[in-house]
Amino acid sequence: ETGVTQTPRHLVMGMTNKKSLKCEQHLGHNAMYWYKQSAKKPLELMFVYNFKEQTENNSVPSRFSPECPNSSHLFLHLHTLQPEDSALYLCASSPGTGLSYEQYFGPGTRLTVT
Amino acid sequence: QKEVEQNSGPLSVPEGAIASLNCTYSDRVSQSFFWYRQYSGKSPELIMSIYSNGDKEDGRFTAQLNKASQYVSLLIRDSQPSDSATYLCAVNFGNEKLTFGTGTRLTIIP
Repeated sequence: ETGVTQTPRHLVMGMTNKKSLKCEQHLGHNAMYWYKQSAKKPLELMFVYNFKEQTENNSVPSRFSPECPNSSHLFLHLHTLQPEDSALYLCASSPGTGLSYEQYFGPGTRLTVT
Repeated sequence: QKEVEQNSGPLSVPEGAIASLNCTYSDRVSQSFFWYRQYSGKSPELIMSIYSNGDKEDGRFTAQLNKASQYVSLLIRDSQPSDSATYLCAVNFGNEKLTFGTGTRLTIIP
């Protein structure tokens, strides 16, 4: 195990639902990330937080809303999603956001939007 | 647009042979490079990181970096069926984030 946990592991939601994904890291890292992984596509960075401050928003639609209350916890709030948002959502953490820092991934949340 | 290219495969290698996975990238100033292994239905797992030209060995894995030619490769010696997975190459282009390739699917044939 990498020390990064995610809940829930599977989520099915309707287009009008509101749900949240949770990530927690136990590695003492300062940076946390949300990625989206769709079939046949590269991992797509969504958000970066460093010391609780958002440093990257990769043109993500506003129906995805991140929250980072502290360096160990990261949330992704979901609202009015579309079927094309169905994917594996991965959380990762690293000691910092510098060049040599290695990122460690959680197990992911498999999201299906109906 | 900074890009990372990998052959999607599948790459089939007999058990016990050397598997060679390649990755090319678009920006000469790239500084750090990572290989991840992803089993079907699982999340990526870090295998190797490499920052300077040459080879870096860790057990059965060797990462090779050639910045002049803008490629990084991963060699897996004595391939085992448990090595069957998708291997992701990731590059830090100096903008504090990783750019991933689409991955190469490797199958080790017993």
